[in-house]
Amino acid sequence: GAGVSQSPSNKVTEKGKDVELRCDPISGHTALYWYRQSLGQGLEFLIYFQGNSAPDKSGLPSDRFSAERTGGSVSTLTIQRTQQEDSAVYLCASSSPGSRGNQPQHFGDGTRLSIL
Amino acid sequence: AQSVTQPDIHITVSEGASLELRCNYSYGATPYLFWYVQSPGQGLQLLLKYFSGDTLVQGIKGFEAEFKRSQSSFNLRKPSVHWSDAAEYFCAVGSSGGGADGLTFGKGTHLIIQP
Repeated sequence: GAGVSQSPSNKVTEKGKDVELRCDPISGHTALYWYRQSLGQGLEFLIYFQGNSAPDKSGLPSDRFSAERTGGSVSTLTIQRTQQEDSAVYLCASSSPGSRGNQPQHFGDGTRLSIL
Repeated sequence: AQSVTQPDIHITVSEGASLELRCNYSYGATPYLFWYVQSPGQGLQLLLKYFSGDTLVQGIKGFEAEFKRSQSSFNLRKPSVHWSDAAEYFCAVGSSGGGADGLTFGKGTHLIIQP
């Protein structure tokens, strides 16, 4: 497809389990972003990749969160030892190459994560 | 740090009436501004963007927004709403320093359309 693809669309898991969320960006988009959307916090920026590199990981909520991107394409967001406060919708976005932050971001439909 | 304020959590408008959604931003330089719309269970769809130049920008679905530097505002307007416009609307600001900061979003405005 032409858009950003995220999988799974829904994930229900027990507290303490690890989860892996996947994002497949639009072909040719070198920039990739992860956001978290929750009722209490709204939309929060988590991490940005330019190619395979994430220059700043400080937006990740805790050290249980990690993200990687390989081959300049697919990215995975991993949450270890999930907690109930991790329940949220995780959105991925990608944008085409640009010298500054003026390229619009195109979003996937998100992964709805529920921690029991 | 940049921030975005959307003062209205909910807005109810009759079908066919005009619409204005408010957005105020805080940013030290010329901002990159965006409006996104989100329908239930969907991701965010870009309505329009402002980078520079003409302060009145046109977007998809008949929406427009006006950048007013003196008021630090970027309000979204539509002359006549349709029932299908019912959704959550988000204003966002991007850093001109590159994409590494991501977008900063407002809390959103939930638009309800009355028949």
